Amino acid sequence: GNSVTQMEGPVTLSEEAFLTINCTYTATGYPSLFWYVQYPGEGLQLLLKATKADDKGSNKGFEATYRKETTSFHLEKGSVQVSDSAVYFCALSGGAQKLVFGQGTRLTINP
Amino acid sequence: EAGVTQFPSHSVIEKGQTVTLRCDPISGHDNLYWYRRVMGKEIKFLLHFVKESKQDESGMPNNRFLAERTGGTYSTLKVQPAELEDSGVYFCASSQQSTSTDTQYFGPGTRLTVL
Repeated sequence: GNSVTQMEGPVTLSEEAFLTINCTYTATGYPSLFWYVQYPGEGLQLLLKATKADDKGSNKGFEATYRKETTSFHLEKGSVQVSDSAVYFCALSGGAQKLVFGQGTRLTINP
Repeated sequence: EAGVTQFPSHSVIEKGQTVTLRCDPISGHDNLYWYRRVMGKEIKFLLHFVKESKQDESGMPNNRFLAERTGGTYSTLKVQPAELEDSGVYFCASSQQSTSTDTQYFGPGTRLTVL
């Protein structure tokens, strides 16, 4: 079945550092890929998505590129801020529409 | 436009009791999903409604869980009787389309604690 493997956390960085959170997937067909974020005390919010190979999703300075050859969708940001502290979830959606999530990565940014 | 809302935000019950969670999707969204995250593990799918019909309930853990969506608007998820392992955060999401590319919009979740 479909599955998502996400970089284990927690991850702690200093402000303005470069961020990468790795995400790889296993799926049949051509899934859509998503990054969701959960800020403290809030629900899940869509951060970005990509629906076909080589698509790049971007939002709030975050980017991720759908790499079919490596079955990856790594999340990157060039310069993180304290306000980026949150839990990040990689997810995929295949033919059945339901989302399959990775285990989540807790990110803490120190000033 | 109002987002997905869930009630209650937090529920603490004794083992063996019954709890009912409610989800109000975004207006006009025919698709409604329930997920849960147990003990810091990954978020897992429970079921999917299209309007009032259950499209996919493959993730429902057992027959102690009953989901309904009468009239195709809000949905309820009842756990009866609750067990300790049911503790976790229950998320509801809704989407306009039934395609893998469509974005699912999540509610804030209901944190269920079974003592």
